[in-house]
Amino acid sequence: NAGVTQTPKFQVLKTGQSMTLQCAQDMNHNSMYWYRQDPGMGLRLIYYSASEGTTDKGEVPNGYNVSRLNKREFSLRLESAAPSQTSVYFCASTRGETYEQYFGPGTRLTVT
Amino acid sequence: SQKIEQNSEALNIQEGKTATLTCNYTNYSPAYLQWYRQDPGRGPVFLLLIRENEKEKRKERLKVTFDTTLKQSLFHITASQPADSATYLCGGSYSGGGADGLTFGKGTHLIIQP
Repeated sequence: NAGVTQTPKFQVLKTGQSMTLQCAQDMNHNSMYWYRQDPGMGLRLIYYSASEGTTDKGEVPNGYNVSRLNKREFSLRLESAAPSQTSVYFCASTRGETYEQYFGPGTRLTVT
Repeated sequence: SQKIEQNSEALNIQEGKTATLTCNYTNYSPAYLQWYRQDPGRGPVFLLLIRENEKEKRKERLKVTFDTTLKQSLFHITASQPADSATYLCGGSYSGGGADGLTFGKGTHLIIQP
């Protein structure tokens, strides 16, 4: 099992550009999440998908959109990147009943 | 809003001693708390989960407690080793259903000195 995979690993964008961060899990998990991690701020939830076909806002959803493409894949889109979105983005998934989350390796995004 | 607080300053412990990390929460008790380990440049890795109605959980050298009176969880690593050096994250769930994500503290950077 590859677990949770994320692409790309690194990305540099100019202000106003758009991009999509990809996440996939091969553990047949129902729920998936996008977090961002900034120095001194900890992990903050952006969006989550409790099950295939549903998505909900987390703590910091502004400037982002998500798509739960199927049970395996959950993508995060930045429509018009801003320097404030410079961060490390983590995707996670959980089976549900045991509640532990499995995290991907992260995407390091810099917006200039 | 709910808040999870950890001392984000570095905690230095001598090898072989017990390291104790603190996680405090405000307002309502989370339905459960999870502890994760994060190494530099990597994603968090799950360690232990404790539910609101549990006092203590153990796994090998790890122990976590949940005190709803003090609004606090303590995470202990006994017989600490330099390989235990990492950042430890505490995350709480307020729905109990397991699906709506975790509220994390800022993490505590633990350094075990030989």
